[in-house]
Order: sequence, then structure tokens, then C-alpha cells
Amino acid sequence: DIVMTQSPDSLAVSLGERATINCKSSRSVLYSSDNKSYLAWYQQKPGQPPKLLIYWASTRESGVPDRFSGSGSGTDFTLTISSLQAEDVAVYYCQQYYSLPFTFGGGTKVEIK
Amino acid sequence: EVQLLESGGDLVQPGGSLRLSCAASGFTFSNYAMSWVRQAPGKGLEWVSGIDSSGGDTHHADFVKGRFTNSRDNSKNTLYLQMNSLRAEDTAVYHCAKHQLGSRYSGADHWGQGTLVIVSS
Repeated sequence: DIVMTQSPDSLAVSLGERATINCKSSRSVLYSSDNKSYLAWYQQKPGQPPKLLIYWASTRESGVPDRFSGSGSGTDFTLTISSLQAEDVAVYYCQQYYSLPFTFGGGTKVEIK
Repeated sequence: EVQLLESGGDLVQPGGSLRLSCAASGFTFSNYAMSWVRQAPGKGLEWVSGIDSSGGDTHHADFVKGRFTNSRDNSKNTLYLQMNSLRAEDTAVYHCAKHQLGSRYSGADHWGQGTLVIVSS
């Protein structure tokens, strides 16, 4: 199984400042035939189901604010919130869908400093 | 509007069985792969099982293999998870999720609120 490791476990950022979350996969999730990394980012607020933010490592889901961006390829990925808003307080998960079983990172809790 | 509504969660004794259902609406159910993802209380997300759009191909995580079966009825727009030989560690909220494509090899763009399964004597 591919192991997804997120860091940090939690971070506190001031409103308007940048938040950066890292995700590392134990094997490459880059599919050579289409040159896509099979990596998604989800946001989960308390009491709510996860929400898809980013797929193919860097494609923003429709309706997601452009302050959210994803980058990386192969085994190392980053989710960046360029200017943290109060409504961004949540737990963020990465997930690989390259190889079954699809696996999630442990999550990163983002709070306001 | 896409809606996914899970049901069937309950308190069950260890070794018991449950069948979860996920009723889908607002999209052409038969065109999309679906997955079950669970979340134990206070813990992270854990992928349980996925099924392709036709229902002909399923895959289960090792920790449920041989105990859980994922299936779908495209005529009823419903996804199922038959859960047998339940263990305490299966206690979790179970979400169904719609994939972006007919293939499971895509992100999950819509999720249900989940149904709670508690395994306890």
C-alpha cells in the first residue's frame, strides 16, 4: 500500500497569512501515460463530510476559492492557502488515487493564531 | 443538485452484520464510480471500498476484505455496503462518495453526511 505522510499535524496561522501543508507519498503517484499525479486534497470542517478542493495535484475544483492551490509531482505535494480566512479553519487531507487501496494522509489541522 | 444519503447505521454486537445504503440523486448514478470511506470518532479518513460505474469491479481494503461487500443497483440509484463479522474497530461514521469519473481512479467530488456504525456489546 502507498503510505501518505502529511506535515505538520497542525498549524496556527494569522488571518491573511499563508498556510502551507505538505504531503509525501511512499511511492510515486505520477502516471507516466498521462503525466498526471493522482493526488487530491480535501477539506473537512467539524460535523461536515470532506469537500474536494484539488485533484490531479493542482487542479482546483469548481467553486473553490483561488486562495487554495496545489503543487508538486511524483511523491511530494503541497497545499497552500495564500491568505487564510476564518472559514478555512478545518482539517485538510491528501489522498492518492493512483493505486488501490486508495490511502489518505493523517490530516493537518489548521487554526487561527 | 447532487445528493447522497446514507442509512443503515446502528449499534450492533461484535460478530454481527449490517447493511448500509447510499441513495443517490441529482446525477446519472450509473455513469460514476463510488466509494465508501469511514472515519472513527476523532480520527482521520480511511478508504474502505470502491466500485466502478457498472458494479462489475470492486476493491476492498485489506482490513475489511472477506467481511464487507460493496455493491450497487443502478436501477435504484443506490450503493450498498454489506458488513459482516463486525469488530469494535469498525466503529465509525461511514460516508459514501461519488467519484468524478466512471473510473475509481479519480477524486471524490461529492460526499454524503455519513451514517454511524457502533460495534459494541
